[in-house]
Amino acid sequence: SQQGEEDPQALSIQEGENATMNCSYKTSINNLQWYRQNSGRGLVHLILIRSNEREKHSGRLRVTLDTSKKSSSLLITASRAADTASYFCATGDDYKLSFGAGTTVTVRA
Amino acid sequence: EAGVAQSPRYKIIEKRQSVAFWCNPISGHATLYWYQQILGQGPKLLIQFQNNGVVDDSQLPKDRFSAERLKGVDSTLKIQPAKLEDSAVYLCASSLSGGYGYTFGSGTRLTVV
Repeated sequence: SQQGEEDPQALSIQEGENATMNCSYKTSINNLQWYRQNSGRGLVHLILIRSNEREKHSGRLRVTLDTSKKSSSLLITASRAADTASYFCATGDDYKLSFGAGTTVTVRA
Repeated sequence: EAGVAQSPRYKIIEKRQSVAFWCNPISGHATLYWYQQILGQGPKLLIQFQNNGVVDDSQLPKDRFSAERLKGVDSTLKIQPAKLEDSAVYLCASSLSGGYGYTFGSGTRLTVV
């Protein structure tokens, strides 16, 4: 299965701190994507990194990909209360994505 | 641009009843997905359409679930008869094609009692 697994399952940080979560997967991929889900809502696409890329940035987000270790990390810098959500990595080929169980991030004011 | 529209937002039914969900993807998105998300878990793909053809329905419980995508645009997902374990959020997503980010709808929260 290409399904990614996020670590940790849950994370609680103070506002202003950085949050880091990791994703590991088992098989070769074409791309890896990160999504955010606020409670009771659909998923929102954050960033896509292709297998030939090592790092991407988008605003306060930084994603790395190490295909030799089959792992990725998502860093959220200077966290805000609005960053409280579940974060999912999704791995796939060019046809479909498989999602992990997610990391629940709580940002305390 | 308008997002992915789903309805209804919530549905409560008794077991053995039937239910249908509707999805309108982003205009021009050829690929449409239905995912099932059980509380505390990640989304699980049920079925994937490319235009109005099925690409992958390997995880769709075909004895009770069915889906169609009319004219390559709107899609409906039906459950008949529903079981207690079908309680979940049903998410519709669309994308331009494979290898692009998905746009998700807000989902339909189904409770089977």
